[in-house]
Amino acid sequence: GAGVSQSPSNKVTEKGKDVELRCDPISGHTALYWYRQRLGQGLEFLIYFQGNSAPDKSGLPSDRFSAERTGESVSTLTIQRTQQEDSAVYLCASSLAGAGTEAFFGQGTRLTVV
Amino acid sequence: AQSVTQLGSHVSVSEGALVLLRCNYSSSVPPYLFWYVQYPNQGLQLLLKYTSAATLVKGINGFEAEFKKSETSFHLTKPSAHMSDAAEYFCAVSKGGSARQLTFGSGTQLTVLP
Repeated sequence: GAGVSQSPSNKVTEKGKDVELRCDPISGHTALYWYRQRLGQGLEFLIYFQGNSAPDKSGLPSDRFSAERTGESVSTLTIQRTQQEDSAVYLCASSLAGAGTEAFFGQGTRLTVV
Repeated sequence: AQSVTQLGSHVSVSEGALVLLRCNYSSSVPPYLFWYVQYPNQGLQLLLKYTSAATLVKGINGFEAEFKKSETSFHLTKPSAHMSDAAEYFCAVSKGGSARQLTFGSGTQLTVLP
């Protein structure tokens, strides 16, 4: 597609359930990033992929969070045993490699844990 | 370490008035600086970026920002606000220019009054 696509756009889940969030980056973009945006706050870096490997997982808030990327394309962010504090908009971005390159963002997945 | 401070979580201006959104950064090395805009229910869109080529950077939709090293500032301006400018604006700083090292401010919600 023309842009970064995320699905679902909205997800309501019960506390304790697992959720999977999907990101389809722009074709040819080797770098892929996940951010979390809590209500009224800025973007919080979660994880970065270069190709299929994740050299920087420093932002993952706990071991309940994991992510993978296959075929240098689609990425899935998984949250296990969701908690209410996980409620946020999860944004995915992709870019070409190299300094100063623009990151293109998807529309995000709004996750609500009830 | 790098950080971004956006002064004013909410800014209101009248249609046709000057828009000024403030951003101050700290970085141990010369930074790359970005302004992103987020319209309701949409992902982030790059407005403009500073990569040391010129201190006055022009972006889309009539916005521009000036890099002032002495003041560690990168304020966003637009001479005449339009109703369609109502959105949330995020300033971000990057050491290496790649999104994985992007640190975002907490955002400024711009309201344009008729």
